[in-house]
Amino acid sequence: EEQLVESGGGLVQPGGSLRLSCAASGLSVSDYYMNWVRQAPGKGLEWVSVLYSGGSAYYADSVKGRFTISRDNSENTLYLQMNSLGVDDAAVYYCARMRGAFDVWGQGTVVTVSS
Amino acid sequence: IVLTQSPGTLSLSPGERANFSCRASQTASSNYLAWYQQKPGQAPRLLIYGAFFRVNGIPDRFSGSGSGTDFTLTINRLEPEDFAVYYCQHYDKSSLYAFGQGTKLEIK
Repeated sequence: EEQLVESGGGLVQPGGSLRLSCAASGLSVSDYYMNWVRQAPGKGLEWVSVLYSGGSAYYADSVKGRFTISRDNSENTLYLQMNSLGVDDAAVYYCARMRGAFDVWGQGTVVTVSS
Repeated sequence: IVLTQSPGTLSLSPGERANFSCRASQTASSNYLAWYQQKPGQAPRLLIYGAFFRVNGIPDRFSGSGSGTDFTLTINRLEPEDFAVYYCQHYDKSSLYAFGQGTKLEIK
């Protein structure tokens, strides 16, 4: 079964950093376009970042320069390094595989930004 | 490309038909238009991709249509489990994988 499991969320102070992980099973993160999508409380879905199988990465304007997407092929894990966090970054963060559309999603990890 | 969904909320009864609209700010390739369903506390679930193609296991009461700037998700004969929030997405780098803002389908 293809599965994605996020971890690493938690409470962080404004200006702080956090690294999210997305462990994959049944699929290889290096074979697909892998994404991070977030959802602020009570709000809609916001695409955050994609890492292509070839290694290119792209970011939403709202996180460009602050967030970095990467992967560890040996661990079969996708990461999102988040720096300079602000209250607007508080959300549930999902990782999702793109095969055609976003067809496999994790259950999400919650990031809270508060002093 | 900015996707605008309407209405914001749709109030219907089981057995009725639901139509969700997704309008793109400029012509969007139908090859890259998807619809997702999200229930409270759950991750989104892919329903339709390529504007028309239903994911394996999705009931045939769900259908997608449209081209250019106007796309529609239709659910025939609503079941109780269909009441959720629905999002469209243009999953192409040119639109930075943009999602619409969502339409909530609630029980009337």
